Amino acid sequence: SQQGEEDPQALSIQEGENATMNCSYKTSINNLQWYRQNSGRGLVHLILIRSNEREKHSGRLRVTLDTSKKSSSLLITASRAADTASYFCATDAWNTDKLIFGTGTRLQVFP
Amino acid sequence: ETGVTQTPRHLVMGMTNKKSLKCEQHLGHNAMYWYKQSAKKPLELMFVYSLEERVENNSVPSRFSPECPNSSHLFLHLHTLQPEDSALYLCASSQDRVGGTQYFGPGTRLLVL
Repeated sequence: SQQGEEDPQALSIQEGENATMNCSYKTSINNLQWYRQNSGRGLVHLILIRSNEREKHSGRLRVTLDTSKKSSSLLITASRAADTASYFCATDAWNTDKLIFGTGTRLQVFP
Repeated sequence: ETGVTQTPRHLVMGMTNKKSLKCEQHLGHNAMYWYKQSAKKPLELMFVYSLEERVENNSVPSRFSPECPNSSHLFLHLHTLQPEDSALYLCASSQDRVGGTQYFGPGTRLLVL
C-alpha cells in the first residue's frame, strides 16, 4: 500500500532538545505533508514539501525529503512542552488524488 | 480555528439509534472528506465529495450514509452502528480534490454502546 509509516512510534524528550521524526512510504509521490494532532482533536497542517524539493523550513520546523529512499524527516528544534502532540506524514501518490496518512509519532516534551 | 467546524463534539448512542454528524467549512473549498480515526490505526478515509458529488466511497458499510447538500456542508448519517464503530470521526476540506493541504475539524468522539 501507499501508507506512510512514521518512526519512532513514540518519542520523549526534554524542553529545549530537538525532536526528529521519520516517515517512509512506498510509491512515487507528488508531495508529502506533515500534520500535527493534539490529543482528541483534529489534524493541523504544518508543512508541505513537493517531490522536487529536498528541504524546507518553517519556523522551528525543518523537513527533508529523499525520494530515492522514499523517506522524509521532520525536525523540531528547541522543543517546547506545547509541541507535545502526535505528528503524521501524509502522501499523495502521482496516480491517485487522495492523501494517505501514516500511523503517527507521539511526541512528549517534558518541561 | 481551522475554518472547519463539527457538531456534536461528543456523541453516545445505542446500536438501534439514528444520529447525524455535521460538518461545515467556511473556507470556500470544493472538496470535503470524512475520516475515521481509531486507536492505534492509521487515519481511514471514508468518503470524498467534490463539488457536492460523491467521488469516493472506501468500502464503508451502509450503516454510514453521507450527505453533501452544498459545498459548505457535509453530514454523516449513522444508524444501527456497532460497538467497533466507536472512534473519532474527522471532517476535512481542501481547495480541490487533488492532494493538497487539508483542513480538519476538531472531530466528533463517538461511543456506540
